Amino acid sequence: KAGVTQTPRYLIKTRGQQVTLSCSPISGHRSVSWYQQTPGQGLQFLFEYFSETQRNKGNFPGRFSGRQFSNSRSEMNVSTLELGDSALYLCASSPRLNTEAFFGQGTRLTVV
Amino acid sequence: AQSVTQLGSHVSVSEGALVLLRCNYSSSVPPYLFWYVQYPNQGLQLLLKYTSAATLVKGINGFEAEFKKSETSFHLTKPSAHMSDAAEYFCAVSSLITGGGNKLTFGTGTQLKVEL
Repeated sequence: KAGVTQTPRYLIKTRGQQVTLSCSPISGHRSVSWYQQTPGQGLQFLFEYFSETQRNKGNFPGRFSGRQFSNSRSEMNVSTLELGDSALYLCASSPRLNTEAFFGQGTRLTVV
Repeated sequence: AQSVTQLGSHVSVSEGALVLLRCNYSSSVPPYLFWYVQYPNQGLQLLLKYTSAATLVKGINGFEAEFKKSETSFHLTKPSAHMSDAAEYFCAVSSLITGGGNKLTFGTGTQLKVEL
């Protein structure tokens, strides 16, 4: 079974631009979560989707948004990029609610 | 609210020695607890999970962890360290959320170094 796939793996953007990251969950998994990992703040929860509905949201500004499609694939978007948005963005999928999460390799976003 | 504390941001052991990585949690409801490992430039790999079944949980690569409710702890151990165990380890807690959810709250991580 293929794991969680995130694209692209690396991304360089300029301040003020916007970016869209993609995540394909493990086949059959309906829950997708997103996390931001930085050296200073560690791993922080962004949001979670289940069956195309956002179920939980972390404490991030409205510039961070996401969505889930009917095939469970998910995208997250960050608008008006700031230097502080540079991070590793991790996507995780779960087969159902209240169970373990399986992570992708992440997308390394660098904002210059 | 739930939280996780990992004592020791860096732990160094000799190859063949016992590995002990500490994790204490805080949760107002019965928790689900997890240990993940992260190698450089990689995502997180699930090592093991506790979801209210047996308190001693065995995971991959010879790791195990024991849930101790009285101590609110979930320490990770491995009897004999191998060079390939060098990585960063994260403890995480998830609690039953009204309406369901898989939100994980992570500790700050422990970097394990294995020396010859």
